[in-house]
Amino acid sequence: DIQMTQSPSSLPASVGDRVTITCRASRFIRNDLGWYQQKPGKAPQRLIYAASSLQSGVPSRFRGSGYGTEFTLTISSLQPEDFATYYCLQHNSYPPTFGQGTKLEIK
Amino acid sequence: VQLVESGGGVVQPGRSLRLSCAASGFSFTTYAMHWVRQAPDKGLEWVAVTSSDGSNRFYADFVKGRFTISRDNSKNTLYLQMNSLRLEDTAVYYCARDFYLPPPIIVNYYFDYWGQGTLVTVSS
Repeated sequence: DIQMTQSPSSLPASVGDRVTITCRASRFIRNDLGWYQQKPGKAPQRLIYAASSLQSGVPSRFRGSGYGTEFTLTISSLQPEDFATYYCLQHNSYPPTFGQGTKLEIK
Repeated sequence: VQLVESGGGVVQPGRSLRLSCAASGFSFTTYAMHWVRQAPDKGLEWVAVTSSDGSNRFYADFVKGRFTISRDNSKNTLYLQMNSLRLEDTAVYYCARDFYLPPPIIVNYYFDYWGQGTLVTVSS
């Protein structure tokens, strides 16, 4: 199975900050990577697909990039509603696998 | 798009449970469907997938031989039959829709819509 390593696992930040979350794949996965946001007690919500394509309705402050084995999710100016846990997902190789999550916390 | 899970609850180890996921707001027969789970305070794990017509089904190794995914396209409903439940199966189980790509792609393994989840607790 492909291992997805996300960093950091926890990220203290303030409203207005620019933050970056990284996901590294243990093998080459092209751009078959998605990003999800999950708030406590809620289902994950899609943010990004194909590594860099914004899902409909997602604010433009979210940006995904990367190809191959290294990927990033950047939030350009944190809003209060962005404090949540973020997961990456690789769907290049069976079985699909998630990163362990990054909890974005208020500093 | 709406996905509504049901059927969760508390069950003893070794017993069975069947989850359902009622789908609406889209053409259910067009999409592969998945189950994904999340243990308490843990990350996400893919569990199983069924193709749009139910003819192809794939499972994570940790449920193979114990869980069965199925669907009734006449009822727009997805199921997960869980047998021989273990303590480590305790989790919120989500149904999720596969992101559609045209044939020959059968399953994409990217999840675009998720239900709200149903909690399964395996406890003696």
